[in-house]
Amino acid sequence: EAGVAQSPRYKIIEKRQSVAFWCNPISGHATLYWYQQILGQGPKLLIQFQNNGVVDDSQLPKDRFSAERLKGVDSTLKIQPAKLEDSAVYLCASSLTVNTEAFFGQGTRLTVV
Amino acid sequence: EDKVVQSPLSLVVHEGDTVTLNCSYEVTNFRSLLWYKQEKKAPTFLFMLTSSGIEKKSGRLSSILDKKELFSILNITATQTGDSAVYLCAVGIYGNKLVFGAGTILRVKS
Repeated sequence: EAGVAQSPRYKIIEKRQSVAFWCNPISGHATLYWYQQILGQGPKLLIQFQNNGVVDDSQLPKDRFSAERLKGVDSTLKIQPAKLEDSAVYLCASSLTVNTEAFFGQGTRLTVV
Repeated sequence: EDKVVQSPLSLVVHEGDTVTLNCSYEVTNFRSLLWYKQEKKAPTFLFMLTSSGIEKKSGRLSSILDKKELFSILNITATQTGDSAVYLCAVGIYGNKLVFGAGTILRVKS
């Protein structure tokens, strides 16, 4: 079974630039999550989708972050404009249902300079 | 506010030692507690616990949940250098939102 795919693996951008991350969840997984993990901290949920609907985006900084999952499969997370404090690993995860364990992708390490 | 606290923050042991990692939580609408191992970037799933007092075991790793005292432990016996990683505890709350602790950094020396 293929795992959660993310790209790119690494990205370096200047502050005020924009960036986008892509995630393809495990086939058949209805629930998709985007997490932000700052160095030395645990992952923090940014947004959770159930199929193509948003379940929870309470911790998403909506003035600069946006995410979509148009066809209920893959998803993109965008930051525009980026700030220095956005430097982190962005992890995508998926689960079969809301009651099963989540599986994570390899993540994208973003460095904002 | 939902909170998950892990201890210790880090520890260093020698190969063959046994370690116990702790996770305590204060959340509303508890559904499950999960343990992940994180090497480099991707957390990999270890265990999901939903019932008190039932030990889950996988090789040298085991975990148990106490829903009355609101904590879980992860035990690793006969540690190996390959066990070196960050161990993350997460609590699943209503809607399967996962609230993570900061993690325990384990280093196993040969």
